[in-house]
Amino acid sequence: DIQMTQSPSSLSASVGDRVTITCRASQSISNYVNWYQHKSGKAPKLLLYAASSLQSGVPSRFSGSGSGTDFTLTISSLQPEDFATYYCQQTYGALTWTFGQGTKVEIK
Amino acid sequence: EVQLVESGGALVQPGGSLRLSCTASGFTFSTYWMSWARQAPGKGLEWVANIKYDESEKYYIESVKGRFTISRDNAKNSVYLQMNSLRTEDTAVYYCARDVGKPVGKAVVRTSDYWGQGTLVTVSS
Repeated sequence: DIQMTQSPSSLSASVGDRVTITCRASQSISNYVNWYQHKSGKAPKLLLYAASSLQSGVPSRFSGSGSGTDFTLTISSLQPEDFATYYCQQTYGALTWTFGQGTKVEIK
Repeated sequence: EVQLVESGGALVQPGGSLRLSCTASGFTFSTYWMSWARQAPGKGLEWVANIKYDESEKYYIESVKGRFTISRDNAKNSVYLQMNSLRTEDTAVYYCARDVGKPVGKAVVRTSDYWGQGTLVTVSS
């Protein structure tokens, strides 16, 4: 199975900060990576698919990059509503999918 | 508007069974793959299973193979997760999600674009 190692597991940041979260796959997975935002008690929300394509309706301060094994989610200017947990997910091969362990973004 | 509503979560004893349901609206259910994922207390998201629109393909995470069965009824716009031989480690909020294939260049990248709010399953004696 393909493992996704996400870092950091948590971070503290202030409104307006630039935030970067990374995800490393255990094997090359091209660009078959999605990023989600999850707030406690709510439905997870798709932010980006195919590593760098912004889902419709998602603010442009969210961006993604990477290919192969290393991927990055960047929030260019953190907003109050962005405090949440973020997950990468691989869907390479379309058989079994896996999430990273998650990154909790907290208010500094 | 796309909506997914899960139901069926409950407290069940180890070794017991439970059937979760997810009812969809706002899209042509019979043309989409569907997934189940879960989040155990204090843990991250874990993909559990998915099913093709015509039930011809089903995939499971290793830890639930032989115990969980995903199915669907396109006439009722519903997807199900039959959970047998439940273990304490199956305790989690279970989410259903709609799967789509996003064309990107020459490839099609699978993703889950809409999710329900979840239903809680507690396995405890």
